[in-house]
Amino acid sequence: DGGITQSPKYLFRKEGQNVTLSCEQNLNHDAMYWYRQDPGQGLRLIYYSQIVNDFQKGDIAEGYSVSREKKESFPLTVTSAQKNPTAFYLCASSQGGSGTEAFFGQGTRLTVV
Amino acid sequence: AQSVSQHNHHVILSEAASLELGCNYSYGGTVNLFWYVQYPGQHLQLLLKYFSGDPLVKGIKGFEAEFIKSKFSFNLRKPSVQWSDTAEYFCAVNTGFQKLVFGTGTRLLVSP
Repeated sequence: DGGITQSPKYLFRKEGQNVTLSCEQNLNHDAMYWYRQDPGQGLRLIYYSQIVNDFQKGDIAEGYSVSREKKESFPLTVTSAQKNPTAFYLCASSQGGSGTEAFFGQGTRLTVV
Repeated sequence: AQSVSQHNHHVILSEAASLELGCNYSYGGTVNLFWYVQYPGQHLQLLLKYFSGDPLVKGIKGFEAEFIKSKFSFNLRKPSVQWSDTAEYFCAVNTGFQKLVFGTGTRLLVSP
């Protein structure tokens, strides 16, 4: 099936540890996105990538890092510098062109204890 | 920087009532506008989008939205809501640089 796969669905980490969230798409989309969803704050853009080997900071990039070495993969690393990492993280992709629809993964709920 | 405002955070309606959810954006140039819906336990999915042309766009499940450029608005409407419309609704804007920005969302509860 075509779509976006985020893994794992639930993730627990100890404070001070870096953690990497996986996002894979088989839709052959050029653009990929990472959002953080918190209650009452909607979806806030962390990073986005328009094309392989290129990415830009979103509105809340501090404490996060990404890579885009392959078209189908856009992993997000939550570093120990992120002050409040516990959240629901959503990955999305789109064909390219600002009028195209974004497709979303099922999300990863990260809990840092 | 572009931003999106959704003024209604929670809306409660009875079945068959009419719905209008507000969305305003801040960006002076050309925009592409979207409404997404997140049903309980499901992925975000597209309801409708405005790219160009007719400012009144129709989407799935009887939803429509009107783009009013002079007001920087893209309000979502439905003449008669159903219990199954209970969900969270997000407005989003893409300004052409692939930066897709969302609003804070509106939780709609439709009582039977």
